[in-house]
Formats: sequence, structure tokens, C-alpha cells
Amino acid sequence: DAGVIQSPRHEVTEMGQEVTLRCKPISGHNSLFWYRQTMMRGLELLIYFNNNVPIDDSGMPEDRFSAKMPNASFSTLKIQPSEPRDSAVYFCASSLSQPQNTEAFFGQGTRLTVV
Amino acid sequence: GENVEQHPSTLSVQEGDSAVIKCTYSDSASNYFPWYKQELGKGPQLIIDIRSNVGEKKDQRIAVTLNKTAKHFSLHITETQPEDSAVYFCAARSGGSYIPTFGRGTSLIVHP
Repeated sequence: DAGVIQSPRHEVTEMGQEVTLRCKPISGHNSLFWYRQTMMRGLELLIYFNNNVPIDDSGMPEDRFSAKMPNASFSTLKIQPSEPRDSAVYFCASSLSQPQNTEAFFGQGTRLTVV
Repeated sequence: GENVEQHPSTLSVQEGDSAVIKCTYSDSASNYFPWYKQELGKGPQLIIDIRSNVGEKKDQRIAVTLNKTAKHFSLHITETQPEDSAVYFCAARSGGSYIPTFGRGTSLIVHP
């Protein structure tokens, strides 16, 4: 298996622009997580999907952030409009939650820079 | 919800020394404790995990211990090597949740 695949690896955008980050989870996994990593706050959970349904989005910072999972093999995290304080590394992770409860496998991340 | 505290934030050792990273958790229902290693420019990768029915687990040079009563767990790396240099994260997950809560991370630097 290729693991969790994220794209793009790097994104530089101007303030006010829309940004879309993409994630392909490991085939067969039914839980998907979006995390944001910064020096100041560490790894923060943004949103958690189970069986394509958003279960916990309490970590989504504000209405500018939205996430979708239209099917079991694809998820997007969208920021509109983007701001410089959104600059961070965004990770997608997936796991199998039933019948086993496995560890989370992380993608390589997307480094977002908003200028 | 769960709260995980991790110490130290930075750890500098000489090659061949041992390194210990400690974490505490708040939710007594947590029963799964993974440790992740994150190398520069990469995503965190699982290196070892322990479940609450076990007190200690070892895999070559790394070991993890768990004290459920005190709600703390530790990562031990023996005979450290420069390639062990990375950021290490502990996490805790409750049996009723599929969401791991992560500590803030420890930057381990192994000097040759």
C-alpha cells in the first residue's frame, strides 16, 4: 500500500485566496483525521471523519475552514479566504476503527504558506 | 476530553547514552498509547505502542512503560544513535474514542 497520500506537498498562496488540500487515505481504513502542526500549538486535530461522516469538527478554527469526504478514498480541507496565520503543515491521517482499532497512519503533510 | 502532557520539550544526549521521554494523561478510560517519530519534512510514524493491559513493551533499543495508577507512560531509547534525532510524540486514546490526543512533542538531538 502506498500509505496516506496528500497533495500538494507545498502550497504558497496570497492572502485572501482559496486553498484546497487533498488526501487519499489507506484503502480499507474507515477513520480519517485532519491535523494542523505549528511550532506554537503542536499537532491540533481539526476534524475527524468516520465512514465518511464528520464526527468531531470542534477543532476547526473558524468558518473559513471546511472539510469534506465525498467517498471512502478522498477528502479535502478547504480554507477560504486564507490568512497568513493559517500558515502551517497540515496532515491527514487514517486508521481502521472497526472491528479493530488500529493506530493512525499519517501522510507526508502539506506545507502551506500564506503571504 | 483527554489531555496529554509531554516532557521534556527538548532533549540533547551524546551518542550511546539513553534517552527518556515522559507523558501523563488525564482520562482514566484511555487504554491505548502510541509513540510516533517525526523526521524532518515527514509525517509522524508509529514506532511503538502499548495497551493498558500491559505494563512494559520492548522492541530492540526502544521500550515503553505504562503506569495506569499514576496515569503516566514513558519512552526509553537505549544506545542512542544520530539517526534517532527527531521529534517524538506520545498520544493517548480512550477505548470509547477513535481519536488519539497528542502531546506537544520532544525534540531529541543525538550528538555524535
